[in-house]
Amino acid sequence: DAGVIQSPRHEVTEMGQEVTLRCKPISGHDYLFWYRQTMMRGLELLIYFNNNVPIDDSGMPEDRFSAKMPNASFSTLKIQPSEPRDSAVYFCASSPGGINQPQHFGDGTRLSIL
Amino acid sequence: AQKITQTQPGMFVQEKEAVTLDCTYDTSDPSYGLFWYKQPSSGEMIFLIYQGSYDQQNATEGRYSLNFQKARKSANLVISASQLGDSAMYFCAMREVPISTDSWGKLQFGAGTQVVVTP
Repeated sequence: DAGVIQSPRHEVTEMGQEVTLRCKPISGHDYLFWYRQTMMRGLELLIYFNNNVPIDDSGMPEDRFSAKMPNASFSTLKIQPSEPRDSAVYFCASSPGGINQPQHFGDGTRLSIL
Repeated sequence: AQKITQTQPGMFVQEKEAVTLDCTYDTSDPSYGLFWYKQPSSGEMIFLIYQGSYDQQNATEGRYSLNFQKARKSANLVISASQLGDSAMYFCAMREVPISTDSWGKLQFGAGTQVVVTP
């Protein structure tokens, strides 16, 4: 079975540029999550979707961040304009509903903003 | 308030020894789930083991087992017969029963424990 697929794996860009991270969840999973991981702040939940609808975006740091899920098999996380403090590893995860269902993580996108 | 507490930021363990990673949690819900994840240096997050609050038995998966003490609100991960490949960051996470039915997915993660297995 294909797992959660994220692209790109690595992104290096200059401050002020738009960055788009992509995610394909596991087929049949109702929930999709975007996380950010840094040494200073650990693993932070940014936003999550249920059946393509955003449920909780309280973790999105500011208006420069936006996320969409136009269909069940694709989501994007966009940063515009990017800043050096956005440098982190961004994970996408998906899961079915239910209390005992683990989240399955993609391999992450390592983002560096210069 | 922190829902998941992992008090050990890092620990060393010798190969073939067992290691226990502490996790305490805070919830007033009677129904919840507890998860452990492994993150090796390569970066991926790997699901290891699950324990439900109503499960009568402690969960086991191969060399991983959970020491679940509900009254103490602790769910410690035990790795038996450590291997060099067990060197990684380990995260404890909890899912509570959500307020609304469209919110089942959310997990709350602890800060993690870094484990280094030495020969």
